[in-house]
Amino acid sequence: NFMLTQPHSVSESPGKTVTISCTGSSGSIASTSVQWHQQRPGSAPTNVIYEDNQRPSGVPDRFSGSIDSSSNAASLTISGLRTEDEADYYCQSYDSNNVVFGGGTKLTVL
Amino acid sequence: EVQLVESGGGLVQPGGSLRLSCAASGLTFSSYWMHWVRQAPGKGLVWVSRINSDGSSTTYADSVKGRFTISRDNAKNTLYLQMNSLRAEDTAVYYCARIDDYGDFGHPGYWGQGTLVTVSS
Repeated sequence: NFMLTQPHSVSESPGKTVTISCTGSSGSIASTSVQWHQQRPGSAPTNVIYEDNQRPSGVPDRFSGSIDSSSNAASLTISGLRTEDEADYYCQSYDSNNVVFGGGTKLTVL
Repeated sequence: EVQLVESGGGLVQPGGSLRLSCAASGLTFSSYWMHWVRQAPGKGLVWVSRINSDGSSTTYADSVKGRFTISRDNAKNTLYLQMNSLRAEDTAVYYCARIDDYGDFGHPGYWGQGTLVTVSS
């Protein structure tokens, strides 16, 4: 089974830009698609990126997703950081046998 | 507005059973693959099970295979999870979700608010 690896935590100041990585353990991350889900403290997850780089309606364009095939990694970039962006972020992908989540990255905006 | 509303969680003894439900509205439920995802206290998201759009194909995580059964009733726009032989390690918030999958992708994801299952004597 393939796995997705994320950094445990990242921190950045308001107004700055942060990038969270998600590295695939095997195969090609570019051959499927990667989703990103935000979970604020005490709340259910919400989807912020689907199909690698698409934003659901209502998600600000400060959120963007990308794939780097050479490193077999996906990235979530949040620009113009706000305190309300402080949350856990999970990448997610799939194959025919499983759906897989990364371990989650805690974003602190300080 | 898409809504996924879970119900059926609660306290159950080890070895017991529970049936979770997820009522969907605001989306064409019968078009989408659906999932159950759980989150143990203080831990990350873990995928549990998937079911395809017409209910003819199901997949399970190894940790629940043979104990949990996912099903759906497209006429009632409802997803189910029958959980048997429950263990302490099944204690978690269980989320119903529509997320991208190999047979159903290219659409925004949706999550319910979750229902808490506690397995304890």
